[in-house]
Amino acid sequence: NAGVTQTPKFQVLKTGQSMTLQCAQDMNHEYMSWYRQDPGMGLRLIHYSVGAGITDQGEVPNGYNVSRSTTEDFPLRLLSAAPSQTSVYFCAISAARGEWYEQYFGPGTRLTVT
Amino acid sequence: GESVGLHLPTLSVQEGDNSIINCAYSNSASDYFIWYKQESGKGPQFIIDIRSNMDKRQGQRVTVLLNKTVKHLSLQIAATQPGDSAVYFCAENIGDDKIIFGKGTRLHILP
Repeated sequence: NAGVTQTPKFQVLKTGQSMTLQCAQDMNHEYMSWYRQDPGMGLRLIHYSVGAGITDQGEVPNGYNVSRSTTEDFPLRLLSAAPSQTSVYFCAISAARGEWYEQYFGPGTRLTVT
Repeated sequence: GESVGLHLPTLSVQEGDNSIINCAYSNSASDYFIWYKQESGKGPQFIIDIRSNMDKRQGQRVTVLLNKTVKHLSLQIAATQPGDSAVYFCAENIGDDKIIFGKGTRLHILP
């Protein structure tokens, strides 16, 4: 989890509430992404960004918004929380190193929507 | 602890033996593949990666094999240790730096 911080660690929301999950990095990596992980499943890509000012949708973008105004931060916004969004959310960063990539994941945010 | 991986396939291996974890990927245009290890309550941790122009890549105690003909990836762990117990995921870059995860496999080490 070196260099990637996520806040909060835990959050409980009521259906319909909105909130922002924060992801920050201090490694100057260009690429940042958000995944969700449900029990018994792998990670599914929500949104990603290849640099400041650039974002794109992943596999499961509905119900989430992102922005990338700086290299360091990539917040994930839940517009109107639903119980189906109960999950663990991971932020990841990566950067090209020659023909390879250097990648790190944050510690995760566990979100429960009631 | 983390409840991830409750229903994932499980591979049980005797401590000291070699482990082979398999993964089928979906996109024939994928040019980059990664293996991750995820321990309970933690985020995925990068293990090793490979490009589509390679068949094999070795790291410390780990080897990744890529068979593009059948779209198959495997992770071999030599001399498996208790600390290797985790859920392992393969992932692929399906284009435009979009990295998609496959289904995981839980590795259980027998004493």
